[in-house]
Amino acid sequence: EADIYQTPRYLVIGTGKKITLECSQTMGHDKMYWYQQDPGMELHLIHYSYGVNSTEKGDLSSESTVSRIRTEHFPLTLESARPSHTSQYLCASSPRRGLSYEQYFGPGTRLTVT
Amino acid sequence: GIQVEQSPPDLILQEGANSTLRCNFSDSVNNLQWFHQNPWGQLINLFYIPSGTKQNGRLSATTVATERYSLLYISSSQTTDSGVYFCAVVSGANSKLTFGKGITLSVRP
Repeated sequence: EADIYQTPRYLVIGTGKKITLECSQTMGHDKMYWYQQDPGMELHLIHYSYGVNSTEKGDLSSESTVSRIRTEHFPLTLESARPSHTSQYLCASSPRRGLSYEQYFGPGTRLTVT
Repeated sequence: GIQVEQSPPDLILQEGANSTLRCNFSDSVNNLQWFHQNPWGQLINLFYIPSGTKQNGRLSATTVATERYSLLYISSSQTTDSGVYFCAVVSGANSKLTFGKGITLSVRP
């Protein structure tokens, strides 16, 4: 069973606010990911990291930013939230083991921007 | 990039019935995972299966990598099996999962 945590689980916030979504894992995994999922739709990768001080943009353009200062922590920040940011955000991690590895997901943060 | 197609898009079953969910992909893969997304939005890992066959209780999965498809079998379905089933793959020299659009399964009592 994977140990990956996300907080908050649900967040309702007004337009223009700065928010940070937290993601932590206790498995010592090098690789971490953020996915965005609109209701009833597939997941899209928005950010990923291969290790400390490594961050890359994913396939779906996002106004959010990420940082990776510690192996276990991969927070996502929105400087000025907008209604278009309303979505579910899922964090995942995987071990560094060649090309083949399993990704484990956190419970997700459901964000609503009013 | 790689394309992932899942079928059927929606499936309604009576409790106790069996079902087969299909995932086709357009290129060779290094990783293939099946997930179940519950009503609360959490993704539950079902199988990590880039090739071969695995079984876990009432669920089993088979990936035929040479023919670029994977199948998820659900036997004796229960209402708790309801939700969305996603297939996701990694292809090439990167570690990014590409997801299919999902299959919405409804199991009726």
